[in-house]
Amino acid sequence: SAVISQKPSRDICQRGTSLTIQCQVDSQVTMMFWYRQQPGQSLTLIATANQGSEATYESGFVIDKFPISRPNLTFSTLTVSNMSPEDSSIYLCSVSRAGSYNEQFFGPGTRLTVL
Amino acid sequence: ELKVEQNPLFLSMQEGKNYTIYCNYSTTSDRLYWYRQDPGKSLESLFVLLSNGAVKQEGRLMASLDTKARLSTLHITAAVHDLSATYFCAVNSGGYQKVTFGIGTKLQVIP
Repeated sequence: SAVISQKPSRDICQRGTSLTIQCQVDSQVTMMFWYRQQPGQSLTLIATANQGSEATYESGFVIDKFPISRPNLTFSTLTVSNMSPEDSSIYLCSVSRAGSYNEQFFGPGTRLTVL
Repeated sequence: ELKVEQNPLFLSMQEGKNYTIYCNYSTTSDRLYWYRQDPGKSLESLFVLLSNGAVKQEGRLMASLDTKARLSTLHITAAVHDLSATYFCAVNSGGYQKVTFGIGTKLQVIP
């Protein structure tokens, strides 16, 4: 497994502002992912954070709205830009390692409320 | 596009009873995962199923995989209140390491 931390754990933001969420892992990992989970719903993959290159976004998510950085093998950030109330959600990062059967381990999540 | 369906979506059961949660998926995959999520918490990995006929057990939970039927089951034996949570299955989408999650089954075990 892995020890994963996210900051902030929760935030309340105003419409039109941006928030950057950090994900830190206690050891090097191969893959890092960002998900969104709306209350009572399943997880939707936003993007795969690639170390040293641009993130790979899923259909319906774009870099201008959700810019992602991954400067090294233990850290990634997700920015939610120009927020609207529809962005209110829980944002989760997850990680997996090569040779671990692609098993993903999840961070504690960031609960975002946009007013 | 890979689709993952779970049923039931909600399950209320009494302590001591047995029940099964089903996870169907639409395209060939060789890896299936079960996760547990407690209210207000993140996801905890329960099982990784890697091949046809795979069966794994942990306590009162047993998971199995039938890749030919594209079906996995999570069986609960003699449920206890502590098992109350939402259970998700997730299926590897091939090629990449990403997975697709089912919608989840909310389990409530009543004392």
